[in-house]
Amino acid sequence: DAGITQSPRHKVTETGTPVTLRCHQTENHRYMYWYRQDPGHGLRLIHYSYGVKDTDKGEVSDGYSVSRSKTEDFLLTLESATSSQTSVYFCAISEPGLAGGRDTQYFGPGTRLTVL
Amino acid sequence: QKEVEQDPGPLSVPEGAIVSLNCTYSNSAFQYFMWYRQYSRKGPELLMYTYSSGNKEDGRFTAQVDKSSKYISLFIRDSQPSDSATYLCAMKVTNAGNMLTFGGGTRLMVKP
Repeated sequence: DAGITQSPRHKVTETGTPVTLRCHQTENHRYMYWYRQDPGHGLRLIHYSYGVKDTDKGEVSDGYSVSRSKTEDFLLTLESATSSQTSVYFCAISEPGLAGGRDTQYFGPGTRLTVL
Repeated sequence: QKEVEQDPGPLSVPEGAIVSLNCTYSNSAFQYFMWYRQYSRKGPELLMYTYSSGNKEDGRFTAQVDKSSKYISLFIRDSQPSDSATYLCAMKVTNAGNMLTFGGGTRLMVKP
């Protein structure tokens, strides 16, 4: 898992509540990513970070925000969760020094989120 | 039409068979190709990556890229029940942005 942990691993919440998912890495990797995985859509990029306080939007960023105040932590926040955000969320990292270089991403174990 | 197409399967084969998994893509700017394996309720695990056309071999796995046809393949020799998983192809325009574009995955079942 390239030293990546995600918390919580499972969460059930109600529509309209805020939710924050945490991605933690121990190897000082510069690049971090949040994806969601849904049947029929595969993995889609939500947001990514290329350094502390440096983030940018991905393909499906509406309804999500991120923050990265420390190298090791990348937080994904659903300000007001909706049922369409029920999904499995994966964090990933990339690093020029790893096999495959910066272009290759390594994934965490995932967080299964259900919004009722 | 999706940028990357992958047959969802399931593909069921007997143990020991040669497995062929495929993806087609439409964006000719893709230059970097990866295969991930994902076991049920786990994160994707990188299997192979390649920047070029042709073949790349790693143990029982061979990745093949045909850029002229916009077609990539993953071959698994001597398939084992432990190979049962979903296989995801992913591709990227190198040194441009950070987004990987994934296929939807093919579910493989290897029966003993």
